[in-house]
Amino acid sequence: GEDVEQSLFLSVREGDSSVINCTYTDSSSTYLYWYKQEPGAGLQLLTYIFSNMDMKQDQRLTVLLNKKDKHLSLRIADTQTGDSAIYFCAERLSNAGKSTFGDGTTLTVKP
Amino acid sequence: GAVVSQHPSRVICKSGTSVKIECRSLDFQATTMFWYRQFPKKSLMLMATSNEGSKATYEQGVEKDKFLINHASLTLSTLTVTSAHPEDSSFYICSAAWTGGPEAFFGQGTRLTVV
Repeated sequence: GEDVEQSLFLSVREGDSSVINCTYTDSSSTYLYWYKQEPGAGLQLLTYIFSNMDMKQDQRLTVLLNKKDKHLSLRIADTQTGDSAIYFCAERLSNAGKSTFGDGTTLTVKP
Repeated sequence: GAVVSQHPSRVICKSGTSVKIECRSLDFQATTMFWYRQFPKKSLMLMATSNEGSKATYEQGVEKDKFLINHASLTLSTLTVTSAHPEDSSFYICSAAWTGGPEAFFGQGTRLTVV
């Protein structure tokens, strides 16, 4: 079955880069996603990558995908205090349409 | 990105009553909607998947008679928690997607408290 794992906590200083890592087990994943959740709110789609891509960049966000190792990472450049939130990695299988989520990484940005 | 509106954002109800939560896609037609439950400091647990005009597909362990899902149109899905109990208190989140599209957009969630 599908399984997505992330480290639970990450703490960085404002202005540094943050790298949040994720591993998944199902090699048939079509899309891999990063979502951001602020306290008491729903999930905000940050970015996604198609499984045949290695990298995707969108302003301060860089997603790297190592399909061989089933490893996904999200790099946030110049991290700001407003980036403090929980970040969820998710995979979506091509045949089901539903997504499987990791447990979320709580990012704390210290001034 | 597309907008998904979930209502209400917070609800408190008495034990034994029913609560309806609405999920609307405001600027696109959602062929599929997903309902999740999120426990404190935990990931999202998929409860069910609903396709417009069809019966919802429930995940293993989710009581379909307790969590009634209706996806009557391409822009609206509802989740009704029937005969709510304190253990049903949780954060419920919907997401909406269209056929073949890569993105799934989430509502802002509903905090249900059963007293």
